[in-house]
Amino acid sequence: QSALTQPASVSGSPGQSITFSCTGTSNDIGGYNYVSWYQQHPGKAPKVIIFDVSNRPSGVSNRFSGSKSGNTASLTISGLQAEDEADYYCCSYTTSVTRVFGGGTKVTVL
Amino acid sequence: QVQLQESGPGLVKPWETLSLTCIVSGGSISSYYWHWIRQSPGKGLEWIGYIYYSGSTNYNPSLKSRITISVDTSKNQLSLSLRSVTATDTAVYYCARLHSEGTYFDLWGRGTLVTVSS
Repeated sequence: QSALTQPASVSGSPGQSITFSCTGTSNDIGGYNYVSWYQQHPGKAPKVIIFDVSNRPSGVSNRFSGSKSGNTASLTISGLQAEDEADYYCCSYTTSVTRVFGGGTKVTVL
Repeated sequence: QVQLQESGPGLVKPWETLSLTCIVSGGSISSYYWHWIRQSPGKGLEWIGYIYYSGSTNYNPSLKSRITISVDTSKNQLSLSLRSVTATDTAVYYCARLHSEGTYFDLWGRGTLVTVSS
């Protein structure tokens, strides 16, 4: 299975909104609404911020939102803050009953 | 609260077997799917495989021939065995719990770094 495709890096100024994508196939993203997004700060374990395409776990800021169209999922961070600077990974369920991650997107707050 | 703790040798020689354990504390291993995920230095996350508490498994096709994941419910722990390792297997290895609704990883261990080198 091939990794999902994410842009390597995205940047924005504090207060801005940024959106970045995660592209897969009909065998993963396109076939199921089981896309999740994880935030990872350096040296830390990943933390879920979005599940089932657009749902936020309790305690996660509503500045994070997710969506999906066809084989592509997207994560939007609104009102960008310094603490949002991290790596972000998408993950999808697949037809083989496995999971596949994206290559990760490094978010830089300018 | 429930915590996961990975452990194992930090250094493994090429072509040997990497063996890791993940202890589940503060809760039961039962009724959940438990996954192994790794991250090579400076790289992204790679899904390795999972085991259900009952013992059923599924593995990443690219690693399937070299992997065994097992569970010991009496010890509340799961294990990963990766055979014939090479330098490309150098990574931080995480164990993670799949949420009860089965669609995302809601709990992660801190990870353990394994370096493959002679």
